[in-house]
Amino acid sequence: DAGVIQSPRHEVTEMGQEVTLRCKPISGHNSLFWYRQTMMRGLELLIYFNNNVPIDDSGMPEDRFSAKMPNASFSTLKIQPSEPRDSAVYFCASSPGRAAGNQPQHFGDGTRLSIL
Amino acid sequence: RKEVEQDPGPFNVPEGATVAFNCTYSNSASQSFFWYRQDCRKEPKLLMSVYSSGNEDGRFTAQLNRASQYISLLIRDSKLSDSATYLCVVIQLGSSNTGKLIFGQGTTLQVKP
Repeated sequence: DAGVIQSPRHEVTEMGQEVTLRCKPISGHNSLFWYRQTMMRGLELLIYFNNNVPIDDSGMPEDRFSAKMPNASFSTLKIQPSEPRDSAVYFCASSPGRAAGNQPQHFGDGTRLSIL
Repeated sequence: RKEVEQDPGPFNVPEGATVAFNCTYSNSASQSFFWYRQDCRKEPKLLMSVYSSGNEDGRFTAQLNRASQYISLLIRDSKLSDSATYLCVVIQLGSSNTGKLIFGQGTTLQVKP
């Protein structure tokens, strides 16, 4: 069975450029999550969707970050303009069920983003 | 104060040793609890859920103490393959019965031959 699929696996770009990260959740999972992981701050929840609707975006760092989920099988996280401090590993995860209550999450392989 | 706190370690132990990790959480309304494992440069993966009654999965035992807001993970007879970072995870339910996961910083375990 296919797990959560993220692309690209690696991205290196210059500051000021737009970055778009993509995620395909596990089929049938209702909830989708975007995380950022750094050595300093660990794993941080940025935003999560339930049935394609953003439920909590309080973790989104600032207006430069935006996320969309146009349908049940696709989501994007966009950074515009990018800055060096955005360098991190960005994970997408999905879980079954209506809520992130007792359901464990399945993570994608992550996108390693480096902003020069 | 962080919502979920863990000792980052690293814990360096010999094969066969028993090792315990602790985690505390600050929000008493937290509903569900998990331990995740993350290998170097890999994604986090669910290790086990944590229940008030305690639960065991082979060499791994997880405990929850709601009164003290404390979670533990015990690994017996540690193997080289147990070397990883162990993440304590707490779910807080909000409105509409939707929740969000709060991850601890992780505790790094290195098992040596």
